[in-house]
Amino acid sequence: GNSVTQMEGPVTLSEEAFLTINCTYTATGYPSLFWYVQYPGEGLQLLLKATKADDKGSNKGFEATYRKETTSFHLEKGSVQVSDSAVYFCASGGNTPLVFGKGTRLSVIA
Amino acid sequence: DAGVTQSPTHLIKTRGQQVTLRCSPKSGHDTVSWYQQALGQGPQFIFQYYEEEERQRGNFPDRFSGHQFPNYSSELNVNALLLGDSALYLCASSSPILGGRETQYFGPGTRLLVL
Repeated sequence: GNSVTQMEGPVTLSEEAFLTINCTYTATGYPSLFWYVQYPGEGLQLLLKATKADDKGSNKGFEATYRKETTSFHLEKGSVQVSDSAVYFCASGGNTPLVFGKGTRLSVIA
Repeated sequence: DAGVTQSPTHLIKTRGQQVTLRCSPKSGHDTVSWYQQALGQGPQFIFQYYEEEERQRGNFPDRFSGHQFPNYSSELNVNALLLGDSALYLCASSSPILGGRETQYFGPGTRLLVL
């Protein structure tokens, strides 16, 4: 079955640092890929998505590129803010239900 | 434009009891999916409904059942509660027209504690 593996946290960064959260997937065919963010005590918010190889999803300064050759969808942001502190989930889906990674907790300190 | 709403926000039950959770999808969405998120884990797919029928199901026992109403809202029922059912239950909605069924928007969740 499909699976998603993302880097374990927690990740602690200083404000304005560069962020990378790694995500790789295994799937039959070519799923769509997603990043969701979960703030404390809340549900998941869709951050960005990509539906085919070489697509780049972007939102709020975050970016991720669908890399078929490495089966990866790493999340990046050039300059993190304290307000970016949350748990980030990578997910794959399409005709099959969403499969999530275990999440990566990000803490940004001023 | 209201997003996905869920009720109640929190619930405490004892082992063996039954629980019903409710979800109203985002405006314009006809598909509802339910997920269970244990503490410190990613969400796990329970099942998906559209056109008032269960269309896909994850690896959950028959104690978990659901329903979708003509207005697209949905219920999740869990019978014979176990301690291990304690989790955040998330509802997500999507539309084949608005972004595709694969692009799911989540509600705030219902936190269930089984004692």
